Amino acid sequence: NAGVMQNPRHLVRRRGQEARLRCSPMKGHSHVYWYRQLPEEGLKFMVYLQKENIIDESGMPKERFSAEFPKEGPSILRIQQVVRGDSAAYFCASSPPTGSAEQFFGPGTRLTVL
Amino acid sequence: QKEVEQDPGPLSVPEGAIVSLNCTYSNSAFQYFMWYRQYSRKGPELLMYTYSSGNKEDGRFTAQVDKSSKYISLFIRDSQPSDSATYLCAMKGTGTASKLTFGTGTRLQVTL
Repeated sequence: NAGVMQNPRHLVRRRGQEARLRCSPMKGHSHVYWYRQLPEEGLKFMVYLQKENIIDESGMPKERFSAEFPKEGPSILRIQQVVRGDSAAYFCASSPPTGSAEQFFGPGTRLTVL
Repeated sequence: QKEVEQDPGPLSVPEGAIVSLNCTYSNSAFQYFMWYRQYSRKGPELLMYTYSSGNKEDGRFTAQVDKSSKYISLFIRDSQPSDSATYLCAMKGTGTASKLTFGTGTRLQVTL
């Protein structure tokens, strides 16, 4: 049973480019969460999605960031016009549809903005 | 003030020691409490998960929650060098599907 998958594992972008991060949840999981981890800081919640719905985006920056979880395919976190401050590790977690509060994390995507 | 406070360490102990890791929190709505282990440049791995107050044991690991003091602990018995990692506490409110709030993590090193 494959765990949460994220790709790419490492992503380098120049300032002003777009970054697309992908997350495939564990089999049978329909809830997806995105978190960001800055150096020497804990994980910060960004957004919570179910299939075709954004449930909670209270942690998302108001501009340049967007997320989706389409009916088919992985969840996508999109960062437009990246700046150096976006450099961080971005983690995706998933949980089952009902009955469990546990969240299982992927290996993360490390974004470096030059 | 942060919602969840955790001493960043580093904490260095000899092999075989009992390790105590702690977090305090301010939000009384938190009901679910978790401990994650994160190795360098890897994703967090769920170690323990507790609902409300009480103790939970799994092998060498024991998690304790004291909601009256807003204080949670993770104990590691017979610590091993392979336990060297960053330990993150995390918590969430009611409703199983909602965001986790994390501590900053405690870096643990177990020496031979």
